[in-house]
Amino acid sequence: DGGITQSPKYLFRKEGQNVTLSCEQNLNHDAMYWYRQDPGQGLRLIYYSQIVNDFQKGDIAEGYSVSREKKESFPLTVTSAQKNPTAFYLCASRSRVNRTGELFFGEGSRLTVL
Amino acid sequence: GENVEQHPSTLSVQEGDSAVIKCTYSDSASNYFPWYKQELGKRPQLIIDIRSNVGEKKDQRIAVTLNKTAKHFSLHITETQPEDSAVYFCAASKIPSGTYKYIFGTGTRLKVLA
Repeated sequence: DGGITQSPKYLFRKEGQNVTLSCEQNLNHDAMYWYRQDPGQGLRLIYYSQIVNDFQKGDIAEGYSVSREKKESFPLTVTSAQKNPTAFYLCASRSRVNRTGELFFGEGSRLTVL
Repeated sequence: GENVEQHPSTLSVQEGDSAVIKCTYSDSASNYFPWYKQELGKRPQLIIDIRSNVGEKKDQRIAVTLNKTAKHFSLHITETQPEDSAVYFCAASKIPSGTYKYIFGTGTRLKVLA
């Protein structure tokens, strides 16, 4: 069953701790994205990657880091430098070959800082 | 910078009535305009999209119209049903392009009242 999987679904963190959110896809998509969703603010782009070993900052990259060592995986680390990390995080992927434009989303990870 | 404005932020309609959600984009080079539906606690999913070479596209009860001159596009849902209740996001993008970067609107919460 092809798709994009995020884990964990819920995560609690103490202030000052780094936390890593997992995103795995078996759709053979080249491009992967991380979005942050806050009430009333839509989906804001954190980082994106078009190919393995390459990624670019989005609009709100400060306090976040990513890696893209494998095509299937695009983990996001929320560092202690992120001032307001409590949010819903969505990972997405897209095929560059088919050029359909459609983003496929994971089910999201909700991070709460205590 | 690139921006997509979406209105209204909330919309309540009686079951069977029509609903219209409007978006305006700033980047005149945008040529791909998808609409995503996000049900409560679930991932956003593409419901319809339109490219800049057409002015309207329909899929059963859903239609999207595009006015390139005015740089706005709209989602129309006819004969609304309770299962249409969700948050709807519009987006603008340029495809094909190097980044396939999507700019999302802030979302519209649609409530269909039975």
